[in-house]
Amino acid sequence: SQQGEEDPQALSIQEGENATMNCSYKTSINNLQWYRQNSGRGLVHLILIRSNEREKHSGRLRVTLDTSKKSSSLLITASRAADTASYFCATDAGNNDMRFGAGTRLTVKP
Amino acid sequence: AAGVIQSPRHLIKEKRETATLKCYPIPRHDTVYWYQQGPGQDPQFLISFYEKMQSDKGSIPDRFSAQQFSDYHSELNMSSLELGDSALYFCASSKVTGEDTQYFGPGTRLTVL
Repeated sequence: SQQGEEDPQALSIQEGENATMNCSYKTSINNLQWYRQNSGRGLVHLILIRSNEREKHSGRLRVTLDTSKKSSSLLITASRAADTASYFCATDAGNNDMRFGAGTRLTVKP
Repeated sequence: AAGVIQSPRHLIKEKRETATLKCYPIPRHDTVYWYQQGPGQDPQFLISFYEKMQSDKGSIPDRFSAQQFSDYHSELNMSSLELGDSALYFCASSKVTGEDTQYFGPGTRLTVL
């Protein structure tokens, strides 16, 4: 079974709307990271949130972490067509043991 | 649910040796991707296969080769290993349906001494 599950797997919104993607995991973690992937290529690191943090912001990105529910959410505000990509969460349980979730494919329509 | 399987999970090699990493995709997935993640770096796309044919090529060194077999599992062969090859190697699989969601394996950690 996968460590992280993204919810939803596909999301389609209009430009200017907010996009929320969720990720759940099963084991204890040191940190959780969100990545973006364009067109099946390499992943780009967006933001890291540590297990003792509850919320983190970076530009239009807002990430929350609820360790009691073993879940995280990525919110992209005021979305743009250029935000169209796949978004993955990855959990680091220590010893750099990273587990990627299934990914959410976000489509932002102009 | 069945996930992507990678073996081995950890591998230690010396310089100039060879290594073979294996990836078993989720059943009925026809596409496999390989990524390399160095320490503190983002995962870099190496190569992908669709229906046993190479479908895309990224930053894969010439010392590396890969193939996808008839049962859809894939192997990444790495020769003349260098210290800089030490990294986490992820395999992901997907099924070409239009969504193409990739499912990542747990990775193989290669350490070159």
